[in-house]
Amino acid sequence: KQEVTQIPAALSVPEGENLVLNCSFTDSAIYNLQWFRQDPGKGLTSLLLIQSSQREQTSGRLNASLDKSSGRSTLYIAASQPGDSATYLCAVSRNNDMRFGAGTRLTVKP
Amino acid sequence: DVKVTQSSRYLVKRTGEKVFLECVQDMDHENMFWYRQDPGLGLRLIYFSYDVKMKEKGDIPEGYSVSREKKERFSLILESASTNQTSMYLCASMGLLTYEQYFGPGTRLTVT
Repeated sequence: KQEVTQIPAALSVPEGENLVLNCSFTDSAIYNLQWFRQDPGKGLTSLLLIQSSQREQTSGRLNASLDKSSGRSTLYIAASQPGDSATYLCAVSRNNDMRFGAGTRLTVKP
Repeated sequence: DVKVTQSSRYLVKRTGEKVFLECVQDMDHENMFWYRQDPGLGLRLIYFSYDVKMKEKGDIPEGYSVSREKKERFSLILESASTNQTSMYLCASMGLLTYEQYFGPGTRLTVT
């Protein structure tokens, strides 16, 4: 059974810092990996989707990488802002089966 | 933009009541999902549907049923609500081109 782990569970950084969130998964036979953002009490917002044949995706200040063979993905956030404060979840999917990590709670202090 | 809507943001029900949670998507996606999210347990899949009138059990289907009579609508039913079903319920849809999931805003259900 696929297991997804996110480290660290919580992270606090000063505004302007670059940061990396980590995601690891146990079964490399995935179709894609998706990063989400969740604000308190809200649903999940899709940030980036990386297909299994891709190595990375970029959107604005966000860059996600995928190394399927080692079962790892990273989400890089450049020049962090207080508005980036949220919980970030990664999820891996194979057909209709999507498995989520527990998330990293990010706080960016002004 | 894909839009997934859920019928209620907050809901308070009494133990034993029958509860309906509705989810609608506007992107003609084949697949739809119901999850619940609890602190410390993360997101857990309750049921998913890959076509009209088709459904599959997820990891925690006990105490729940689902209905998909139209492609755009997927309903979660709590036959007899219990306090341990107090949770955040999230609906998602997914197209078969990219397998990217899109989520609704969630329904915070409290059963008293």
